[in-house]
Parts: sequence; C-alpha cells; structure tokens
Amino acid sequence: ETGVTQTPRHLVMGMTNKKSLKCEQHLGHNAMYWYKQSAKKPLELMFVYSLEERVENNSVPSRFSPECPNSSHLFLHLHTLQPEDSALYLCASSQEDRGLWSGNTIYFGEGSWLTVV
Amino acid sequence: TQLLEQSPQFLSIQEGENLTVYCNSSSVFSSLQWYRQEPGEGPVLLVTVVTGGEVKKLKRLTFQFGDARKDSSLHITAAQPGDTGLYLCAGRWSLITDSWGKFQFGAGTQVVVTP
Repeated sequence: ETGVTQTPRHLVMGMTNKKSLKCEQHLGHNAMYWYKQSAKKPLELMFVYSLEERVENNSVPSRFSPECPNSSHLFLHLHTLQPEDSALYLCASSQEDRGLWSGNTIYFGEGSWLTVV
Repeated sequence: TQLLEQSPQFLSIQEGENLTVYCNSSSVFSSLQWYRQEPGEGPVLLVTVVTGGEVKKLKRLTFQFGDARKDSSLHITAAQPGDTGLYLCAGRWSLITDSWGKFQFGAGTQVVVTP
C-alpha cells in the first residue's frame, strides 16, 4: 500500500467510448503525475500537476485529457482512443518544493491496465 | 530530451548467483533513482544517489553512482526469487530550469531469478 489508489485496475474500451481513470493520493503531496508504461519502452511522463501548475508532454495526443480538481485527486479522461494506446497507466505523487532540490520520492499507484479494442 | 539507457533488457539467473544491471546517459545526472516494479504493481523506490562515486547498500543490493555522474549500476549478491522484477532507473538532469523537476525513466531491466 503506497498511499496512491487507482481505479479501475482494468479497463477494456472500444475506440468510440469515453471513459476516465481515477487516482487518489492520501499522502498530502502537492504534485501528481500520469505515466504511460508500454512493454519494453521507458515510462512516459504524460502530465504533471505540481504547485497548482499543469505541465504537459507535448507529444501526448489530445484524446487524453487530465483533470486535477484538488491536490488529492487526479483524473485521466479518455476518448476516441486507438489500439496503440493500450498500456498500463500509472498515477504517482510526490512532495515538491519549487526552487529546492530534494531528491523527492515518487510514490506510484498500482496502475490501470487499459485495453482498447 | 536526454536519453537514459538500461542494460541488459532481460536477465535470467539461478538463485544464489550475482547480477549487475546498468544505467547510462550521455549527460550528467543531478540525481538518479532506482525502482523495482513487481508484476501487477507500480514501481517502488529503492534508492536515490546524488554524489559522484557514491555507493549505497540495501541488504544484498549495492548501488553505485559513477564518478562523472553519467552512469549507475545495481549489483545483487546471492539473488533470490523475491528479487524478480523490473528494475528501473530514473534520472534528473537539471537543478535550475527543472527545479521541481521530473525524473525521466529508462525502459528497465527485467530480472528473473529461478529457484
């Protein structure tokens, strides 16, 4: 139990569906992340919400849309996905201090396995 | 974008053997972390290294950070089946422009230890 909870753990969706992944952290952290993990590829950072700012990886398609209503909750809204979007989506959180390096630990959830058919 | 390479991609050994996995970059890391990910779970932090030449030990795991801070290694002594997992390194390169910064992960080394 890392303090980061993701739901659902498994999701199968069609290419025309709209679904959302949910993440909640119970650690009091001020930064939350979405990562994509595909087989034999590096973890890809998709989105970061940190200190009330959102930072995006410009290579992430617009069919992925994040939402962070507060510092404890993070969503990833999915629509019109492609089969190549099938992957493990990991949510993570950390405590970040702007201007200071602290070697922060990133705490990951167990991930949501997404299959697009 | 800085590239972070891990080798080997896959390693299968017998229980009791030793193993070493590597993490390399062409750029100098400001810090580097090692994670282990077990099947069905998210990655879990093992160690953070900061200083060139630093060596840290965690039971049977020894982590070394290169003197030039461009590479790191993880050595496991007398591996056990419980050491099976995906070992990921994550590097952070900039202290100034990326001060609240993001770690960039490698693709990982899949380690399988058979009884």
